[in-house]
Amino acid sequence: GIQVEQSPPDLILQEGANSTLRCNFSDSVNNLQWFHQNPWGQLINLFYIPSGTKQNGRLSATTVATERYSLLYISSSQTTDSGVYFCAVVAAGNKLTFGGGTRVLVKP
Amino acid sequence: NAGVTQTPKFRVLKTGQSMTLLCAQDMNHEYMYWYRQDPGMGLRLIHYSVGEGTTAKGEVPDGYNVSRLKKQNFLLGLESAAPSQTSVYFCASSYEAAYEQYFGPGTRLTVT
Repeated sequence: GIQVEQSPPDLILQEGANSTLRCNFSDSVNNLQWFHQNPWGQLINLFYIPSGTKQNGRLSATTVATERYSLLYISSSQTTDSGVYFCAVVAAGNKLTFGGGTRVLVKP
Repeated sequence: NAGVTQTPKFRVLKTGQSMTLLCAQDMNHEYMYWYRQDPGMGLRLIHYSVGEGTTAKGEVPDGYNVSRLKKQNFLLGLESAAPSQTSVYFCASSYEAAYEQYFGPGTRLTVT
């Protein structure tokens, strides 16, 4: 099946810093989503982005489908950005395959 | 619009007991999914449904059964709970497989 790898596994940021999270996948995809899992365990949809670039406030994402990667940018990070960021993809079939996540801690 | 809801939010079972988790969605989505998340890991697909009356196995289906009698509901059953089924269970729904999936708040299950 498709492999999804996220990097870095852990990220510690000072409040106000910018960062880039990466998601590599091993095959063509029909769906790519970024999620934020907050410290209470809730999964929050950030982006549905099988290709192209999207922006939502301080967050933006870019997927280059032909090169099989996606990037999530966090600008001017805040403590509420802490949590785990997951990339997930749908290749052939119906299954959403998750990466291992990037654990982000934003310090005040 | 409640989106995707899950019942219950927390549950503690003893080994061998049975229970059913209920997922409901009000977005008229065809596809529904059950995932489990173990500590420090991403989500893994247990079972899914592509429409009312259909079910299919996912990545980790053993020990679970599902039913989709109504389009808006997807039930996950544990017939004889085992400690290995201690996990957080998430339900999700989408219009189609390649469309955005929306997740419920999760059910934290502990089997002792």
